[in-house]
Amino acid sequence: AQSVTQLDSHVSVSEGTPVLLRCNYSSSYSPSLFWYVQHPNKGLQLLLKYTSAATLVKGINGFEAEFKKSETSFHLTKPSAHMSDAAEYFCVVSYSGGYQKVTFGTGTKLQVIP
Amino acid sequence: GAVVSQHPSRVICKSGTSVKIECRSLDFQATTMFWYRQFPKKSLMLMATSNEGSKATYEQGVEKDKFLINHASLTLSTLTVTSAHPEDSSFYICSARLGGEGTDTQYFGPGTRLTVL
Repeated sequence: AQSVTQLDSHVSVSEGTPVLLRCNYSSSYSPSLFWYVQHPNKGLQLLLKYTSAATLVKGINGFEAEFKKSETSFHLTKPSAHMSDAAEYFCVVSYSGGYQKVTFGTGTKLQVIP
Repeated sequence: GAVVSQHPSRVICKSGTSVKIECRSLDFQATTMFWYRQFPKKSLMLMATSNEGSKATYEQGVEKDKFLINHASLTLSTLTVTSAHPEDSSFYICSARLGGEGTDTQYFGPGTRLTVL
């Protein structure tokens, strides 16, 4: 069984300050982990993914995430928030062995204050 | 690369009618596509897995006779909501998996907003 927990349903930061969106997972097997972003009334865009290579993963738009197996975490960070980063962010865990099952977190809404 | 489109982006229909939503992978072939439903301010709920040339696999609690899925080609899957009712109003999102069995990156379409009056 696998699950993913996004610890914060809502995060508010000032423009230009760092962003931290937290995600913890559980998986019986070596997981693949993803972060997606969804702007209002839009589909999901892949930000980055971890698939057992480097533990620090760099994505688009300046985002990165670090896979920490000991903490079962995959937190998303960005050094400096931009107004255009305001959106909903989803952490996703997947086990690619056999029948693929993808599990979504409940999402974190990021608000960026000017 | 890895672009997925959906059509229509928005549809309003009367209760009792059927609505078809198309999901296309534009620049790659997808043997597997997925259909999700998203309620307001909620996460995505997987409805079914669509496999090219075979029957879809539905998640528990999803009525297969109400949500008909057809994956007739490697670039097209359709979801038909039959005899739609207001409770079917939702945001429907499809995704396509790039690569074969064992790969796990999904690329998502822009979504279809269904409103049933």
